[in-house]
Amino acid sequence: GDSVTQMEGPVTLSEEAFLTINCTYTATGYPSLFWYVQYPGEGLQLLLKATKADDKGSNKGFEATYRKETTSFHLEKGSVQVSDSAVYFCALRVGLETGKLIFGQGTTLQVKP
Amino acid sequence: GAVVSQHPSWVICKSGTSVKIECRSLDFQATTMFWYRQFPKQSLMLMATSNEGSKATYEQGVEKDKFLINHASLTLSTLTVTSAHPEDSSFYICSASQSTEAFFGQGTRLTVV
Repeated sequence: GDSVTQMEGPVTLSEEAFLTINCTYTATGYPSLFWYVQYPGEGLQLLLKATKADDKGSNKGFEATYRKETTSFHLEKGSVQVSDSAVYFCALRVGLETGKLIFGQGTTLQVKP
Repeated sequence: GAVVSQHPSWVICKSGTSVKIECRSLDFQATTMFWYRQFPKQSLMLMATSNEGSKATYEQGVEKDKFLINHASLTLSTLTVTSAHPEDSSFYICSASQSTEAFFGQGTRLTVV
């Protein structure tokens, strides 16, 4: 079945370091791919998305490129801030039901000053 | 963006009792809501799709008599965990869709003692 695999955390970085969180997927169709972020005590928020191969999603300095050949959607940011500390979820959607998502296990990012 | 509110944020209950969790779309109407469950260090797993005015659709392996879902209005869906047991302890998250985006509640931490 469809699935998403994320790198295990926690990831601990110093402020201004480069961030990569790996995400790979398995899907039978042509999924849309998402990154969600969950700050402490809050709900999941959409960070960025890509709906077809080679699309690049970007938001708040974060980027991810939909790579069909490697079935990947790695999250990157050039310079992290303490305020980026959160849990990041990679997810895919196959089909038209916008709320029906398959999630990775989440990666906790901790950024230290 | 749209706001989805979940209540309570956390609850502790005794084994054998029932617990109700509410999910509200605060500023939009949602004909469909989704309920997820998250175990520690694991993915969010879709439990069921809640449809306003009709029966919920449960994912394979989810006991519909255990996890009762009611979607009586366009802004409210409830999940009732009946006769809760310690193995039901988990983090429950709801989502609702508006246009092409899914919005998530902040989650409910259920602990059954």
